[in-house]
Amino acid sequence: GAVVSQHPSRVICKSGTSVKIECRSLDFQATTMFWYRQFPKQSLMLMATSNEGSKATYEQGVEKDKFLINHASLTLSTLTVTSAHPEDSSFYICSASLPAGGPHEQYFGPGTRLTVT
Amino acid sequence: QQQVKQSPQSLIVQKGGISIINCAYENTAFDYFPWYQQFPGKGPALLIAIRPDVSEKKEGRFTISFNKSAKQFSLHIMDSQPGDSATYFCAATYTGGFKTIFGAGTRLFVKA
Repeated sequence: GAVVSQHPSRVICKSGTSVKIECRSLDFQATTMFWYRQFPKQSLMLMATSNEGSKATYEQGVEKDKFLINHASLTLSTLTVTSAHPEDSSFYICSASLPAGGPHEQYFGPGTRLTVT
Repeated sequence: QQQVKQSPQSLIVQKGGISIINCAYENTAFDYFPWYQQFPGKGPALLIAIRPDVSEKKEGRFTISFNKSAKQFSLHIMDSQPGDSATYFCAATYTGGFKTIFGAGTRLFVKA
């Protein structure tokens, strides 16, 4: 149980275009999902916390107009990188927390490798 | 105060040896300490976790030791195998906080 999927696993896009990444909890309802960004050989950097039915909470320094997050249902959150630039190239990972098990347990998706050319 | 300090940055262990990764925290409000394992190009996976009311938790070859007074906790991998080669992250969070604070990560390489 507690499986989180992401789609796509890899995406290459041209500079100036927008890219949408989906995060789904497959076998549980996730009231809270998290979006992380990870640079090579570095730790996870929390970008935003996404709550179903409400606006996402962004971490300091993360541009909410550039990284649009929508959590439309209890099993789906999306991250849209708008007007992508090469510096947005990174590994994006989502996670979902189990509501019944407490807020602590997070289950991570497999990640999405974004390359902006 | 929100930081979790992790060491070493990298670790090389012989097959069959013990791998030890250490973490320290400052915020005494933290009440849940998970360890995650991440293979290259994959998302992290929850490996084992502990709450501060116990000093040790063991699951198979993986053991967490927790020292509440010193605000330190460590991961021990017994009988390390080449398949354990991955990056390990310690983390900390607290009830109602939702946000998880991650350590910098330890890249473990187990030599065959």
